[in-house]
Amino acid sequence: QLQLRESGPGLVKASETLSLTCIVSGGSVGSSSYFWGWVRQPPGKGLEWLGTIYYSGSTYYNLSLRSRVSISVDTSKNQFSLKLTSLTATDTAVYYCARLITDFWSGSLMDVWGQGSTVTVS
Amino acid sequence: SSELTQDPAVSVALGQTVRITCQGDSLGSYYPGWYQHKTGGAPLLVFYGKNKRPSGIPDRFSGSKSGDTASLTITGAQTDDEADYYCVSRDGTANHLVFGGGTKLTVL
Repeated sequence: QLQLRESGPGLVKASETLSLTCIVSGGSVGSSSYFWGWVRQPPGKGLEWLGTIYYSGSTYYNLSLRSRVSISVDTSKNQFSLKLTSLTATDTAVYYCARLITDFWSGSLMDVWGQGSTVTVS
Repeated sequence: SSELTQDPAVSVALGQTVRITCQGDSLGSYYPGWYQHKTGGAPLLVFYGKNKRPSGIPDRFSGSKSGDTASLTITGAQTDDEADYYCVSRDGTANHLVFGGGTKLTVL
């Protein structure tokens, strides 16, 4: 059974860089059948897609964050990572990693999620 | 980038039928995915595509679309269905996604 688990600091300082890793078990990030991505939810607000990566390294980012966000994949460790630079208090959120499937009518969308990692920017 | 609009809150009496809507330009071409999100948990995919329900999702959850408006229908709502519901769709650019603002469902 596929499981995803976010790993990273719970507290980061403003202006610094957030680094989160999603550890994948029960499946392979090297599979050509899936994409992998990150979503966040600030306190009291809705879900926000941050970006997606394919096993080949192709990436797609939310244009509102494009200059600050990067996602990478490490097939040897079966994990993928998020980096978000120049943090401000508005980046305080629960960060989720997820697997994405591709549907003919819906395109790519998240079907399996990690439990989320709470990040506070001080 | 395109946007998806959802009603902020909807309520339904126990056992009745409720429809949660999602409106946006991209829905003219694509079907959204729908997520149920309960506080403290991970979002759960409950419906997507033209007519797909992930394994384990009750068949009281169904989806439809007309023009640029999509709906998630819960037939015979249960107390366990009380949650926030989000639609997600392509943002007009391949592999770029956008979420709706979410709808808080209350089961009375």
